[in-house]
This record gives sequence, structure tokens and C-alpha cells, in this order.
Amino acid sequence: EPEVTQTPSHQVTQMGQEVILRCVPISNHLYFYWYRQILGQKVEFLVSFYNNEISEKSEIFDDQFSVERPDGSNFTLKIRSTKLEDSAMYFCASSESPMPRETQYFGPGTRLLVL
Amino acid sequence: SQKIEQNSEALNIQEGKTATLTCNYTNYSPAYLQWYRQDPGRGPVFLLLIRENEKEKRKERLKVTFDTTLKQSLFHITASQPADSATYLCALDTGRRALTFGSGTRLQVQP
Repeated sequence: EPEVTQTPSHQVTQMGQEVILRCVPISNHLYFYWYRQILGQKVEFLVSFYNNEISEKSEIFDDQFSVERPDGSNFTLKIRSTKLEDSAMYFCASSESPMPRETQYFGPGTRLLVL
Repeated sequence: SQKIEQNSEALNIQEGKTATLTCNYTNYSPAYLQWYRQDPGRGPVFLLLIRENEKEKRKERLKVTFDTTLKQSLFHITASQPADSATYLCALDTGRRALTFGSGTRLQVQP
């Protein structure tokens, strides 16, 4: 069964450093998303992406964040200057059709720890 | 303010019984509601989607109801098994092209 993959599974970085989280969505999907989950808290929407541009973004997704689809398969989330409070699990998801009427398929996540 | 509430206390039940989880929401009028399962350290896994004009949806041992008047969805697992132990997340359409999740209810099925 096709699945969303994410790399790395774990990332430790120093505060102020840039990180890039990578995702390979399911191949025939056209809509891509990033969510985050701070330990013990709810899954929070960050951004959705379609046709090479951002469709929606939450108030969390400020100027420190950016997304890109650099080629036909990868979808990346960049955090320009990490803060301690960026420590969280970051999930990529994809869907065939736009939300919310479609199933989203989530990746296994990248656990980011900012020291 | 808008809220999605799931019982934050863990639900403990005996194997073979039916588990019923609740999702209540306020100040939303979702056209769709979804339920996901999340295991520790893993991403959410889609289980069921129900539309506002559907009262009930079933898939194998799972059943979801959606009452737009009560602003509530119930999620049932019949003949529960220890392997059903996980956190179950309710997620709503909140008028934008993304999901808004509840905080989840942890289910523990005792053998």
C-alpha cells in the first residue's frame, strides 16, 4: 500500500539553526500538508500546499517557516531559525482531493528537538 | 470561541466490550467529520469520514454517528480487542482546507 515517508525520523538542533524536514507524499496525490504535535498536545495544522503554492496556513506558520516542492516527489518544511518551542513531532500528510472531504494520509513524523 | 472536546481521561474497558468515544464541538458547523487512530510516536491513521447529511457510518467493527443538532459525534468499537488500544482523534472541517483535531481520547482495552 502506498505511504507517505518522512526523513529524518529524529533531528536534534541548536536554537537559531535552520532545519529542513523532508517528506515524500503518495505519488498520485496533489494536496500536501504539514502538521505539528507538541508532546502531549493536539495535532495542529501548519500549512497546506497545492499546485506549487500555499493554499492555507495557520497562525503558527509565521515567517520562520517555509514550504517547497523542489521536484516531483519531495515536499519540504524549512524552519529558518529554530526556537526551543519548535520542539515537536512534525507530520506531513497528503490527499488526492482537497480537504476536508477526502482522507488524509499521514507520514510517520519527524521528531524535532531544539536545544 | 470554537472548541472540539474529547474526553481527555483514558477509557478503560474489558476485551469484547463496546468502546464508545465522544467528540463534542461548539461554534462550528462542519460539513465533514473524521476519526483517526494514533499510536504513541506515530502519525494519525484515518479510520472513518462522515458527512453532515449522514447519520451513521460503519466499517467492520467501527461505527460513527454524527448529530449536527447536538453537535456531537460518537465513535464505537464493538468486540474490542487489546490491539485497539490507542488514542483516537476526532477531526473537523472548520471552513478551511485542513483538519482541526481534538485532543484525543486514549483507549485501553484490558485482556
